[in-house]
Amino acid sequence: LAKTTQPISMDSYEGQEVNITCSHNNIATNDYITWYQQFPSQGPRFIIQGYKTKVTNEVASLFIPADRKSSTLSLPRVSLSDTAVYYCLVGDILTGGGNKLTFGTGTQLKVEL
Amino acid sequence: TAGITQAPTSQILAAGRSMTLRCTQDMRHNAMYWYRQDLGLGLRLIHYSNTAGTTGKGEVPDGYSVSRANTDDFPLTLASAVPSQTSVYFCASSEGQGAGEQFFGPGTRLTVL
Repeated sequence: LAKTTQPISMDSYEGQEVNITCSHNNIATNDYITWYQQFPSQGPRFIIQGYKTKVTNEVASLFIPADRKSSTLSLPRVSLSDTAVYYCLVGDILTGGGNKLTFGTGTQLKVEL
Repeated sequence: TAGITQAPTSQILAAGRSMTLRCTQDMRHNAMYWYRQDLGLGLRLIHYSNTAGTTGKGEVPDGYSVSRANTDDFPLTLASAVPSQTSVYFCASSEGQGAGEQFFGPGTRLTVL
């Protein structure tokens, strides 16, 4: 099972770009990388998912280098409302991996004025 | 659509008593999951079900049981509650069995005294 390592916490200011890096050295060939966001007293919410290179949606970008041993979630111009815990997960999205996902403790992002 | 609903929102339970946490989804998803979230430990998988009629054990299954009689419902039962089961419980579902996007419910806060 691919395990992930990410920083425990990060601080930023409104308007800045935030990059959260996740290490997953033993990622398997069929594994995808997925990021979730969790606000206090709510369940996690899917942000973005990718396999290689770059994926972008209306919320974030996900950068994955060629060796796929790490990935970076990029949040452009954060606001106070982006203060949350961010989880990086890896798993096989096709053949059975939902029960093997490890959320871990995530990265607590705090955005200040 | 409601997505995933959980009941109750919160509960205080005497040790030794039994309780069932309810989870219902209206997305016709095949897979469902139960997680517990404790401060400093992140989300940990208790039990899962890849499809109606099947269940499996997650990372921390002891003291809990589940059933999946139909697609929509996935109740979690504590047969004899202990204080260490004090936690926030999240139910989630995903369309397939893989590590694709999981949709989470609002959670149940359980306190066992």
